[in-house]
Amino acid sequence: ETGVTQSPTHLIKTRGQQVTLRCSSQSGHNTVSWYQQALGQGPQFIFQYYREEENGRGNFPPRFSGLQFPNYSSELNVNALELDDSALYLCASSYSGSTVETQYFGPGTRLLVL
Amino acid sequence: AQKVTQAQTEISVVEKEDVTLDCVYETRDTTYYLFWYKQPPSGELVFLIRRNSFDEQNEISGRYSWNFQKSTSSFNFTITASQVVDSAVYFCALSETSGSRLTFGEGTQLTVNP
Repeated sequence: ETGVTQSPTHLIKTRGQQVTLRCSSQSGHNTVSWYQQALGQGPQFIFQYYREEENGRGNFPPRFSGLQFPNYSSELNVNALELDDSALYLCASSYSGSTVETQYFGPGTRLLVL
Repeated sequence: AQKVTQAQTEISVVEKEDVTLDCVYETRDTTYYLFWYKQPPSGELVFLIRRNSFDEQNEISGRYSWNFQKSTSSFNFTITASQVVDSAVYFCALSETSGSRLTFGEGTQLTVNP
């Protein structure tokens, strides 16, 4: 196990609702990245947080937002849920220093939007 | 733009066979990092290996080996004497030096039959 935890494990929402997903990073890591993985596809980068600020964003609309807290844990918020938001949401933590470091993933949150 | 292609969508082998998973990448960066992750049915992405673009040495770890060829932009993964527990989806991924955003391929579903 990586030490990266995510909650909840599963979630069912209806279209138009809002959802918050949570991630606790591995001890010693200061960077959190979020990915969306639709069924049968590879993960797609949503955004990354470093030192409590967004540090890179993929091709996702503004209704996808996030936070990073002083203890390096993070939240992903999605407003106005759409059916296509149904996916596995993966959080990854890493240490950003002088070099690029490996990202270690949590177990994911499976979101179903009805 | 970065791109990772895993042309093999599904591979099925019998236990003890050797199997190679192909990965071809595109990037304009001269320095980059390549990764392989394993995703069992539980959903968590498990890190397997990371290679730097300036280190083309092949690597062997137990039954796993990786062949990195910069000339053909390929980073192939071979499992020797496959086992049923190797059954999973395997993802190849690429990151650039300016951040650790990962670009994933679409994955290869490997099924090892007893």
